[in-house]
Amino acid sequence: DGGITQSPKYLFRKEGQNVTLSCEQNLNHDAMYWYRQDPGQGLRLIYYSQIVNDFQKGDIAEGYSVSREKKESFPLTVTSAQKNPTAFYLCASAEGGTHYGYTFGSGTRLTVV
Amino acid sequence: GENVEQHPSTLSVQEGDSAVIKCTYSDSASNYFPWYKQELGKGPQLIIDIRSNVGEKKDQRIAVTLNKTAKHFSLHITETQPEDSAVYFCAASLNSGGYQKVTFGIGTKLQVIP
Repeated sequence: DGGITQSPKYLFRKEGQNVTLSCEQNLNHDAMYWYRQDPGQGLRLIYYSQIVNDFQKGDIAEGYSVSREKKESFPLTVTSAQKNPTAFYLCASAEGGTHYGYTFGSGTRLTVV
Repeated sequence: GENVEQHPSTLSVQEGDSAVIKCTYSDSASNYFPWYKQELGKGPQLIIDIRSNVGEKKDQRIAVTLNKTAKHFSLHITETQPEDSAVYFCAASLNSGGYQKVTFGIGTKLQVIP
């Protein structure tokens, strides 16, 4: 079955550490996205990529980094510069262009300990 | 930029009743409006969408209406069932340099009481 897989489901980070969240899709989608979800704030865009080797900052990119070396993969690194990283992180993919809904992964819950 | 407001933030209905969630958007260039359902601990799932050249779309018990003039769109769920309990997000999308820029509402937590 085609889909989008996020791992791990739960992640704990110590202060000052970088952590990387994995996102893999086998839908042959061109576009991939990372969103952060906090209670009462909906979904906020961190980074997006329309094609391999290209990505753009979203609305809240500070403290995060991404790479898009393969069409199937779009990992997100939460750096120590992100002051409030505890949140639910969602990866999504979509066909290129416009007017297409997203396929979301099941999310990674990151907690700072 | 685009701003999407969603109401109500929480909604409780009796099983079998209808539920309506309303959203407004600010940018008249938005031309695609998807709705997502998110169950606890999971990612959102696309349940229905509508394009700006259509006023209404139905899929079994769910329907979406769009009023471009007033810049609002609504999700209607009829004959609600307990499995409809979830958080629902509306979104508005516009074409920004070939990229689909999507703005989400803050979500509505729907509780269907058996």
